[in-house]
Amino acid sequence: DGGITQSPKYLFRKEGQNVTLSCEQNLNHDAMYWYRQDPGQGLRLIYYSQIVNDFQKGDIAEGYSVSREKKESFPLTVTSAQKNPTAFYLCASSTGTGSTGELFFGEGSRLTVL
Amino acid sequence: GDSVTQMEGPVTLSEEAFLTINCTYTATGYPSLFWYVQYPGEGLQLLLKATKADDKGSNKGFEATYRKETTSFHLEKGSVQVSDSAVYFCALKGAQKLVFGQGTRLTINP
Repeated sequence: DGGITQSPKYLFRKEGQNVTLSCEQNLNHDAMYWYRQDPGQGLRLIYYSQIVNDFQKGDIAEGYSVSREKKESFPLTVTSAQKNPTAFYLCASSTGTGSTGELFFGEGSRLTVL
Repeated sequence: GDSVTQMEGPVTLSEEAFLTINCTYTATGYPSLFWYVQYPGEGLQLLLKATKADDKGSNKGFEATYRKETTSFHLEKGSVQVSDSAVYFCALKGAQKLVFGQGTRLTINP
């Protein structure tokens, strides 16, 4: 089945450690996105990529990094510079920002900093 | 910039009640409008959408009409079920990125 796979589903990290969240899609979509979800705050855009080897900062990129070496993959690294990393992270993809913008989401990764 | 405002939750209803979740937006130009739903422990799924004024999106008994004059896209359902319990997000797509509202948690009691 086509879709977006995020892993791990749950992740615990000690303060000061970097952690990488995986996002893979087999929908042949050009654009991919990372969102952060906190209770009562909706979704906030961290980074997005419209094409391989290119990506742009979203609204809350500080303390995060991404890469887009393959069309199918868009991993997110939460670095030790992110001051409050405990959150639910959602990856999404779409056919492109020039379209009506329907997004397809993965099931999310919940990161907890101990 | 573009923004979306949803009615604050949580909203609790009894089964078979009528549902309205309000959504208003601010945007330049003519955005597309969406409702996404998030079931417990899952990612978001597109529920319905409308791409131009006066369009009505519908799915699974839910409806929303794109009202340009009131800049609104309220979500309605005539008779809710326990399985509709979820968080609902209104969103708009303008010239660039998708902008989400803060979400409304809906709980339906049997």
